[in-house]
Amino acid sequence: DIQMTQSPSTLSASVGDRVTITCRASQSISVWLAWYQQKPGKAPKLLIYKASTLQSGVPSRFSGSGSGTVFSLAISGLQSDDFATYYCQHYNSDSWTFGPGTRVQIK
Amino acid sequence: QITLKESGPTLVEPTQTLTLTCTFSGFSLSSSGVGVGWIRQPPGKALEWLALIYWDDDKRYSPSLKSRLTITKDTSRNQVVLTMTNMDPVDTATYYCAHTDYLLLDYWGQGTLVTVSS
Repeated sequence: DIQMTQSPSTLSASVGDRVTITCRASQSISVWLAWYQQKPGKAPKLLIYKASTLQSGVPSRFSGSGSGTVFSLAISGLQSDDFATYYCQHYNSDSWTFGPGTRVQIK
Repeated sequence: QITLKESGPTLVEPTQTLTLTCTFSGFSLSSSGVGVGWIRQPPGKALEWLALIYWDDDKRYSPSLKSRLTITKDTSRNQVVLTMTNMDPVDTATYYCAHTDYLLLDYWGQGTLVTVSS
């Protein structure tokens, strides 16, 4: 089974900062990676798929990159609405695997 | 507009079987590429994928929970049902269903909290 890890587990930042979250797969997953944002008490929201494709309606300050085993989610110009937990997810036709999450909190 | 809503018991006793229903609208589960998945999240913890059913009735299960899970669909009623046997307190979680279009979880239900306790 493919395992996903994320770093850091918690990130403290200020409004306007640029932040980067890293996701690693235990083996190559090509570009089959998505990123989700989750706020407390709410369902996750799809931000990015296929490693770097922005979901419709998602602000352009979010960007994704990577392939193989190492991926990144970047938020440029952090907004107050962006303080949340972010999950990476590997997907294919047989299974989905989520990472442990990265909480982005206010410094 | 695609919407999904989970329903089922909020409290189950250990060893019992949990049955959750996902009722959806705005899409057909007979359309090519479409599926419905179940994902859970224990309080304060990460998301965990459970099961997925495709438009053609193909099914996939989490390897770690496969022996306990069954997913079915009723296309005419726009519902997907998940059953999980032998419930344990560690299964206490918010259970979500989600629409998937070619593997992307793009619409989610609000989730339903299930507590396992005697």
